[in-house]
Amino acid sequence: KNQVEQSPQSLIILEGKNCTLQCNYTVSPFSNLRWYKQDTGRGPVSLTIMTFSENTKSNGRYTATLDADTKQSSLHITASQLSDSASYICALMYSGGGADGLTFGKGTHLIIQP
Amino acid sequence: KAGVTQTPRYLIKTRGQQVTLSCSPISGHRSVSWYQQTPGQGLQFLFEYFSETQRNKGNFPGRFSGRQFSNSRSEMNVSTLELGDSALYLCASSPQGQPQHFGDGTRLSIL
Repeated sequence: KNQVEQSPQSLIILEGKNCTLQCNYTVSPFSNLRWYKQDTGRGPVSLTIMTFSENTKSNGRYTATLDADTKQSSLHITASQLSDSASYICALMYSGGGADGLTFGKGTHLIIQP
Repeated sequence: KAGVTQTPRYLIKTRGQQVTLSCSPISGHRSVSWYQQTPGQGLQFLFEYFSETQRNKGNFPGRFSGRQFSNSRSEMNVSTLELGDSALYLCASSPQGQPQHFGDGTRLSIL
């Protein structure tokens, strides 16, 4: 079964600090790997989408990296802000898949403390 | 451009009842997909509709069903509600297939 595992499950850091969230997957190839931010009570919002051949993709203070050899992706958040408090979800779109081909991790719950 | 709109935002039902949730996609988007989100399982695919036809279906019992109208708006229905159906139900829309934009969901609580 295709799986996407995220770590840590939750994380608390101080405002202004950097942090890195991890995503491990078991099956390749895939069409694209996505990172989403989900604020409490809201739907997921796409942060980055990387194809299988890309190594890194940035969106402001968010930088996603992909290592196809180790089947790992990371989301690095620089100079964290209180508004970064949210759940971060990693998802893989498997090759040839439509909406049914998107497999999600269970997310990392990030809390930024002042 | 308006985003994906889901109604209602919150719903409380009791076991055995049925419920209908609504999703209005972004204008011009013909694909609508539905997901169930729970703390234990994360986001799980329910089904996808494209041009009024169900294109894909996830591994959920037949109590879960949906439809799409000619204006691309979609509804999902859950019959004979169970306590385990308590979840956030999300829909996402896209022009053709891979989901792009999510709504803010309907929070369904079963008592």
